Amino acid sequence: AQSVTQLGSHVSVSEGALVLLRCNYSSSVPPYLFWYVQYPNQGLQLLLKYTTGATLVKGINGFEAEFKKSETSFHLTKPSAHMSDAAEYFCAVSETGYALNFGKGTSLLVTP
Amino acid sequence: GAGVSQSPSNKVTEKGKDVELRCDPISGHTALYWYRQSLGQGLEFLIYFQGNSAPDKSGLPSDRFSAERTGGSVSTLTIQRTQQEDSAVYLCASRPPGPNTGELFFGEGSRLTVL
Repeated sequence: AQSVTQLGSHVSVSEGALVLLRCNYSSSVPPYLFWYVQYPNQGLQLLLKYTTGATLVKGINGFEAEFKKSETSFHLTKPSAHMSDAAEYFCAVSETGYALNFGKGTSLLVTP
Repeated sequence: GAGVSQSPSNKVTEKGKDVELRCDPISGHTALYWYRQSLGQGLEFLIYFQGNSAPDKSGLPSDRFSAERTGGSVSTLTIQRTQQEDSAVYLCASRPPGPNTGELFFGEGSRLTVL
C-alpha cells in the first residue's frame, strides 16, 4: 500500500535561509511522487513531480526535490526562502498515477 | 471558467441536516476526485470518477456520504444527516485525459461547518 510521511507539521526558516521539507514514502512499486503547495484560502497547486528518469526534479518558484530510492525519500528544498513561500506543503505518492495519497502537510513559516 | 469551480465556498449547517457540495471540473478533464481536508489530518481521499467507469468509492467514510457525476462533468457530493465531525474543507480536483502523469488540478474547496 502507498503512504506518505511528512516529518514536521511546522517548519520555520528565516528569509534567505535554506528550505528543507522532508517526505518519506512507502510503495510496493516504483512510485510517482509529487509536491503540492497550498496558499491561504486557495486550492492546491502542483510544485513538482517525479515520474521516471532524472531523480532531481525542478519545479516552480525555485523549488526542487530529489527522489532517493534507497532512502524512500523525496525531500523538497529551496536554496533561499522568500516571504512569499509561506504556505502549506503536501507530499503525495501514487503507484498508478490515478489515486494520490497525500501526507498531512507541513506548514512553512518564513520570518524576516 | 478556466479552473475547477466549487460551490458553495462556505456552508454552515445544523447537525442532522443534509448538504450538497458541487464541483465543476475543467472542461475536457475526464477524471474527477473528492478529498476532505481536516485540520491536522492532511488530505483524505473520498471518491474518484474516471470517464464512464464505476467510481472508486473506497475512501467514503460512511454510508452518509455519496457522490455522483452527471454527464461526465459536474459532480455533487452529498452528506446526509451531517455530524460535527464532518466539518472540514471538501476539495475537488480534476485530471486531463492522455498520458498518465498524475497531476491534479484543485478547486478552492467548500468549507463545511456543522454546528
